[in-house]
Amino acid sequence: NAGVTQTPKFRVLKTGQSMTLLCAQDMNHEYMYWYRQDPGMGLRLIHYSVGEGTTAKGEVPDGYNVSRLKKQNFLLGLESAAPSQTSVYFCASSYSPSWEQYFGPGTRLTVT
Amino acid sequence: LAKTTQPISMDSYEGQEVNITCSHNNIATNDYITWYQQFPSQGPRFIIQGYKTKVTNEVASLFIPADRKSSTLSLPRVSLSDTAVYYCLVGDEDSSYKLIFGSGTRLLVRP
Repeated sequence: NAGVTQTPKFRVLKTGQSMTLLCAQDMNHEYMYWYRQDPGMGLRLIHYSVGEGTTAKGEVPDGYNVSRLKKQNFLLGLESAAPSQTSVYFCASSYSPSWEQYFGPGTRLTVT
Repeated sequence: LAKTTQPISMDSYEGQEVNITCSHNNIATNDYITWYQQFPSQGPRFIIQGYKTKVTNEVASLFIPADRKSSTLSLPRVSLSDTAVYYCLVGDEDSSYKLIFGSGTRLLVRP
């Protein structure tokens, strides 16, 4: 039981490049989330999903897109990366809309 | 969602009990209080959740007074490995999608 995994762990992009971050969970959770965390700050919700095929905007959705084609996977896309998107990205999942979310190890993204 | 206020940082020594208080003056009737722990370079980890009075699990206790405008996370006999950032969150099941993490409390445990 791996829990929540994220791919890749690190990535450096040039401004304007695109990339996709993959989150996978093996706990059969319905709910999945993407957050970003800037240095010294708390996490901010980017997008979330309440089930396969559904997505919704969180607190800071601009510049990001997501897809949930399979229940176990939640993808976060950056179509045209900007330096302001330099951050650590965390994925999380939960069984129900309760407060116990399970977080992945994070992806450290740098945009130059 | 109710806003929370926590101390920015706290220092302690190994073996001591640490109490971190969170203020949430605008807590709503259906809101729960939840605490997460985050180590450097890791995602947050759920510690404890409560609605009123006292909740205890294997790692911490959560004390909530009758007016629920504040709550206190209590860590008994801390060790160096408890050095982390602790976040207090408030909300109900319907708003849990929109977890709002403040800056948290940075706890440093010294030898």
